Amino acid sequence: QKEVEQNSGPLSVPEGAIASLNCTYSDRGSQSFFWYRQYSGKSPELIMFIYSNGDKEDGRFTAQLNKASQYVSLLIRDSQPSDSATYLCAVTGGYQKVTFGTGTKLQVIP
Amino acid sequence: EPEVTQTPSHQVTQMGQEVILRCVPISNHLYFYWYRQILGQKVEFLVSFYNNEISEKSEIFDDQFSVERPDGSNFTLKIRSTKLEDSAMYFCATDTGDTIYFGEGSWLTVV
Repeated sequence: QKEVEQNSGPLSVPEGAIASLNCTYSDRGSQSFFWYRQYSGKSPELIMFIYSNGDKEDGRFTAQLNKASQYVSLLIRDSQPSDSATYLCAVTGGYQKVTFGTGTKLQVIP
Repeated sequence: EPEVTQTPSHQVTQMGQEVILRCVPISNHLYFYWYRQILGQKVEFLVSFYNNEISEKSEIFDDQFSVERPDGSNFTLKIRSTKLEDSAMYFCATDTGDTIYFGEGSWLTVV
């Protein structure tokens, strides 16, 4: 059974701070890692994907992958109130079903 | 332009009725998925569909559910004899080879 674990939160950070969201996964064969943002009642919205160990930056977002530790994280710099949402970590082995974590609720306090 | 368009956005149906949810992906995508999310719970995999066949399905996807691609473009999820516990948001997703995009979802309420 492939598992993806996330702290459900809520994670509260002040506006302008860095939010750090973490995720661990059980399947060592996992190849692709995704971070989705989901507002209440809406569909998941892709923020970033990462395949290789290390960091990948896109604007205020940085995804970090450590396959040896089976760990993936998302950093959000200069957090804004509009970043308040649930962040879903998702993992797949490539052209296979995506397994989602339960999500971490982020609250950015103005 | 979204990668995936879903209809209806919201449907209310009586228990025991059949429901068909539709998904229209961008052409040339070969892998499709249906997921559901019960309110307040995690996103759950239902079924993957490749080359007009089911490639994998979860234990949730029992005989009550079926998928097909009737005309090579639309991708449908049929739920026969709906139950109260089928109330959820149903998401269609498409795999581009680089990443997976979700449609806006179809919110199903069974009363």
